[in-house]
Amino acid sequence: KNQVEQSPQSLIILEGKNCTLQCNYTVSPFSNLRWYKQDTGRGPVSLTIMTFSENTKSNGRYTATLDADTKQSSLHITASQLSDSASYICVVSAALNDYKLSFGAGTTVTVRA
Amino acid sequence: GAVVSQHPSRVICKSGTSVKIECRSLDFQATTMFWYRQFPKKSLMLMATSNEGSKATYEQGVEKDKFLINHASLTLSTLTVTSAHPEDSSFYICSASSGRAEGGELFFGEGSRLTVL
Repeated sequence: KNQVEQSPQSLIILEGKNCTLQCNYTVSPFSNLRWYKQDTGRGPVSLTIMTFSENTKSNGRYTATLDADTKQSSLHITASQLSDSASYICVVSAALNDYKLSFGAGTTVTVRA
Repeated sequence: GAVVSQHPSRVICKSGTSVKIECRSLDFQATTMFWYRQFPKKSLMLMATSNEGSKATYEQGVEKDKFLINHASLTLSTLTVTSAHPEDSSFYICSASSGRAEGGELFFGEGSRLTVL
């Protein structure tokens, strides 16, 4: 069964600090990995999408990395802002099963002033 | 970027009634839309895949007669929760793909919070 594991489950950081979220997956064969930001009570919003050939991708203060060999990805948030408080979800797509996405449980980030 | 609109964003209904939630892709045609259910502090759980002009494909454990899905056009899919019960209370989210999911972007609606009294 394809799985996506995220860590930590939650974290609290001070405004202006950096943090890194982890995503490990067993989805195979791998197609792409996406990071989404979900504010409480809202739908997820795409941050990055990476295929197996991409090692890193940035979107503003968000930088995602991917190691397809170890099946690991990370999302780094630089100079956190209060608006970064949200749940961050890692989603992995399998190559042979169109539209079958495996969702991680998410990491809840709380940024405090 | 592409926008997916969901309506209503919140709905409260009495037990036994039916509730319809709409999902629209506003600026692109979506041959495939997806419906998810999300419990508090949990990940999204795929309920069904909705294909325009054909029957939806339901995930294991999801009652097709309970959660009716209709994808009447390339921009609209609806989820009807029939004879709703309090245990159906949840956050329902739709998504739509602008292309093949393997490389295409996937856009989510804002979600609809259903409360069944």
